[in-house]
Amino acid sequence: DAGITQSPRHKVTETGTPVTLRCHQTENHRYMYWYRQDPGHGLRLIHYSYGVKDTDKGEVSDGYSVSRSKTEDFLLTLESATSSQTSVYFCAIRRDRQETQYFGPGTRLLVL
Amino acid sequence: KQEVTQIPAALSVPEGENLVLNCSFTDSAIYNLQWFRQDPGKGLTSLLLIQSSQREQTSGRLNASLDKSSGRSTLYIAASQPGDSATYLCAGNRGGGADGLTFGKGTHLIIQP
Repeated sequence: DAGITQSPRHKVTETGTPVTLRCHQTENHRYMYWYRQDPGHGLRLIHYSYGVKDTDKGEVSDGYSVSRSKTEDFLLTLESATSSQTSVYFCAIRRDRQETQYFGPGTRLLVL
Repeated sequence: KQEVTQIPAALSVPEGENLVLNCSFTDSAIYNLQWFRQDPGKGLTSLLLIQSSQREQTSGRLNASLDKSSGRSTLYIAASQPGDSATYLCAGNRGGGADGLTFGKGTHLIIQP
């Protein structure tokens, strides 16, 4: 357990609305990640962060933005949700000077 | 671009058997190879991390190996139990910095009691 929580755990929203998912960690690790998991695609990296206000794009970043104003929180925003963004979203952290990534419990998002 | 492939996609075996799950990757620059377990509707649990300098890691009944020259990793599960039923995922990256993981699509494992 790496002290990672995600909120909300489940969300239903409508196409065109903005949505923000939160990842919170209690151990002040530098590196944080957002992935999405879809049948047939596996997990894919959306964005990552290597410190407060330091973020970069991953493989599937279109339509998503992130912010990290505090070490413990990494926010993922869907600027205008689309049905193709229906997915399970996982946050992960990597402890400093270690390579293992630890994952949160996930957020199930349904965009109608 | 790194691609990770897992074979087989699904596997069903009787309890007590030893089994091997396979993972292949295209980028020989891979440095870290991590194996995860995912139960239905749940998050990912890290099982083992192998760094290229290590070649092999063991935890209980699990043993994972990494062969960069052939682009392969294997996860060996000894004396399988029904509680081992889950989806097993492998993922790799080049290590260092903030490098994210590239995942395979997983092997869905069922251990029959």
